[in-house]
Amino acid sequence: GAVVSQHPSWVICKSGTSVKIECRSLDFQATTMFWYRQFPKQSLMLMATSNEGSKATYEQGVEKDKFLINHASLTLSTLTVTSAHPEDSSFYICSARAKTGGISNSPLHFGNGTRLTVT
Amino acid sequence: AQKITQTQPGMFVQEKEAVTLDCTYDTSDQSYGLFWYKQPSSGEMIFLIYQGSYDEQNATEGRYSLNFQKARKSANLVISASQLGDSAMYFCAMREGNSGNTPLVFGKGTRLSVIA
Repeated sequence: GAVVSQHPSWVICKSGTSVKIECRSLDFQATTMFWYRQFPKQSLMLMATSNEGSKATYEQGVEKDKFLINHASLTLSTLTVTSAHPEDSSFYICSARAKTGGISNSPLHFGNGTRLTVT
Repeated sequence: AQKITQTQPGMFVQEKEAVTLDCTYDTSDQSYGLFWYKQPSSGEMIFLIYQGSYDEQNATEGRYSLNFQKARKSANLVISASQLGDSAMYFCAMREGNSGNTPLVFGKGTRLSVIA
């Protein structure tokens, strides 16, 4: 089945530093990947849509200069949290859709997520 | 307005019993898809079942079935013969339209606890 690999699975960093999270589709090509954020005991909130070869589309309220997204190839998207602060501590999870059968019934496949803690 | 509403923050079910997790949705699109995901405490999102807006029959996948009532805009998940390993968060999600570039919108989730 379609596999999405996300790395690292957890990271602790100091306030003011930057953290890069990688999301790879291992056995399929993904022209579009989605980045979600999940605070404890809450739902997944879409942050941005990552498009291969073009700029990401950010959701309202998400700072594009703080959450840099690069989708340089059909199998890799990266999210960089720049100048991280404690309020950025969250669970970040990427997803992609493999084009199997009709697009309408293709689920999003998720990475295992990255738990970011900013101290 | 919320696109996906899950009104049950938490549910308990006895092992081997069936349980229904509620989900209602709001869309003006004619074409849309409804999904259920399971999220264990480890955090990964596991796809369970899909229902398309034009599907006339309720979707089934093993012990999971989706009770799709289009007129009521509800897509409840039924888990039969509950197992201890079913204890997790369950999210209902919707994709509007028919494009591969459309993300999923998630409900707030229901925490299911299976009791031995």
